[in-house]
Amino acid sequence: EAQVTQNPRYLITVTGKKLTVTCSQNMNHEYMSWYRQDPGLGLRQIYYSMNVEVTDKGDVPEGYKVSRKEKRNFPLILESPSPNQTSLYFCASSLFRADTEAFFGQGTRLTVV
Amino acid sequence: GQQVMQIPQYQHVQEGEDFTTYCNSSTTLSNIQWYKQRPGGHPVFLIQLVKSGEVKKQKRLTFQFGEAKKNSSLHITATQTTDVGTYFCALAGSYIPTFGRGTSLIVHP
Repeated sequence: EAQVTQNPRYLITVTGKKLTVTCSQNMNHEYMSWYRQDPGLGLRQIYYSMNVEVTDKGDVPEGYKVSRKEKRNFPLILESPSPNQTSLYFCASSLFRADTEAFFGQGTRLTVV
Repeated sequence: GQQVMQIPQYQHVQEGEDFTTYCNSSTTLSNIQWYKQRPGGHPVFLIQLVKSGEVKKQKRLTFQFGEAKKNSSLHITATQTTDVGTYFCALAGSYIPTFGRGTSLIVHP
């Protein structure tokens, strides 16, 4: 089954404790991205990757890091999480650029206390 | 970057009534996508519109792309409780898609 898998689904952590949210897709997609979703603000892109070893900032990259060492995986790293990073996070992949159908993961609800 | 305004933010309807959400941009769009997110779920792709004046239908859903390619709409005929969710438009003509803030549809049985 074609899918994007994120882990964990829920995470509560403390300020400053590094964490990684994993994302994996099995569709051989080149384009992957991370979004955060906050009430009233919709989906905002954090980082995207056009292919292995190619990543770039989205609209809200501050406080986040990503890596793309393999085509299927695109982890999101929070080196020093802060409460304003409490949000619902989605990973997405699409075949090529952003102007093709995006497949979203199930989401990760992160709470930073 | 491009900005997109989506209205209304919320819409309450009685089951069986029609529903429309609008997506507007101040600049010409290369294409536009629509997604649906059920409560507690993730966005799911519905459709992509590319051509000026394009109209596409999926059962009770009708998608339109304006002649000037600056606006788009999603119309649902005779809503059902299964239509509940948030509908997003997305400008996807670049490497950084811009999502509208979404319209949350609440259907009362």
